[in-house]
Amino acid sequence: AQSVTQLGSHVSVSEGALVLLRCNYSSSVPPYLFWYVQYPNQGLQLLLKYTTGATLVKGINGFEAEFKKSETSFHLTKPSAHMSDAAEYFCAVSDGESGGTSYGKLTFGQGTILTVHP
Amino acid sequence: EPEVTQTPSHQVTQMGQEVILRCVPISNHLYFYWYRQILGQKVEFLVSFYNNEISEKSEIFDDQFSVERPDGSNFTLKIRSTKLEDSAMYFCASSERGNQPQHFGDGTRLSIL
Repeated sequence: AQSVTQLGSHVSVSEGALVLLRCNYSSSVPPYLFWYVQYPNQGLQLLLKYTTGATLVKGINGFEAEFKKSETSFHLTKPSAHMSDAAEYFCAVSDGESGGTSYGKLTFGQGTILTVHP
Repeated sequence: EPEVTQTPSHQVTQMGQEVILRCVPISNHLYFYWYRQILGQKVEFLVSFYNNEISEKSEIFDDQFSVERPDGSNFTLKIRSTKLEDSAMYFCASSERGNQPQHFGDGTRLSIL
């Protein structure tokens, strides 16, 4: 069974400050990891993904995340927050290819609401 | 950029009534999914669909739920006899292959009265 824990349901930063959203996962097979963002009244938009290879992955809007197997973490960062980054962010995990037959079911964390102050 | 589209955006239904939520996945995608998000809770997987059959389903997806791809473009979720606890945002998603990133629609907010 897989699970995802996002530490902090709300994170507040000042514009220009570092954004750090934490995600820890549990998986019995090598995972694929994703970050999605949800703006009000919209669906989930993919920010970035880790499948295999380079553990530091870059996504859209200046976000990046690092897969740390030893820490079972996939924290999301952005060096300088912008007002437009205010949204809810979801970390998700699915079975990797080595997990055998997998149809891509995503298991989500509970979400972190990011607020950006001027 | 191709999008997943869901209709309606908001559905209000009396308890016990049947409801059908509709989705048009991205045209070259082969894997289809339904998720739901009860207000204040996490997004939960309901079902995945590939090659015209259910490939995986969660405990939530009981006999009251069914999915169908009635033609080459639509993907529907039917709830046979709605309950108050079915009130949630329902998201449809699609991907080219299993474990490829899933593209989500904007959701249908289902309100059961």
